[in-house]
Amino acid sequence: GAVVSQHPSRVICKSGTSVKIECRSLDFQATTMFWYRQFPKQSLMLMATSNEGSKATYEQGVEKDKFLINHASLTLSTLTVTSAHPEDSSFYICSAGTLQAFFGQGTRLTVV
Amino acid sequence: KNQVEQSPQSLIILEGKNCTLQCNYTVSPFSNLRWYKQDTGRGPVSLTIMTFSENTKSNGRYTATLDADTKQSSLHITASQLSDSASYICVVRDSGGGADGLTFGKGTHLIIQP
Repeated sequence: GAVVSQHPSRVICKSGTSVKIECRSLDFQATTMFWYRQFPKQSLMLMATSNEGSKATYEQGVEKDKFLINHASLTLSTLTVTSAHPEDSSFYICSAGTLQAFFGQGTRLTVV
Repeated sequence: KNQVEQSPQSLIILEGKNCTLQCNYTVSPFSNLRWYKQDTGRGPVSLTIMTFSENTKSNGRYTATLDADTKQSSLHITASQLSDSASYICVVRDSGGGADGLTFGKGTHLIIQP
């Protein structure tokens, strides 16, 4: 089946630094990818829709200047958490695919 | 507002036993319903996807049912194994075309004890 690969799986960074998370569709092209955030024992919350070749669409309450999304090719979307704060610590997951959503492995971000 | 409610919130059973997880939804217009397994610290992995006309779908020891009239779905796990310990998430897709079109349940946290 289709595979979505997310990297890194874990990252620890210092407050104020930026972190980039990559999401790749390995065996299909994805003009649209989605980024989610998940807190412990909570459901996935959609943050933004990543559109290949155009600007991302952010959900209400998500700061676009803080969570920069780039979708420069049909197989790669990146999420950059800028000027990270401890409250940004969370589990970030990407997905791709229309009829059936395929999720990446997730990235555990810890900001210290 | 589209909603997906799952029950129970958590469940502990002994290895080898069967269990059934429930999902009630109010999503319109309905497109499909998916069950995902999410291991701790991992992304969700698809178990089944069911459309309006499908009542039952199996994937190994996992069997999902869908009653589109009552807007209920269940996931039955047979002969549970330790590796079944995970969160099981019910996700309903609407055909309205907004954003990802998905409404997520909070999941059922299943623990299989030896």
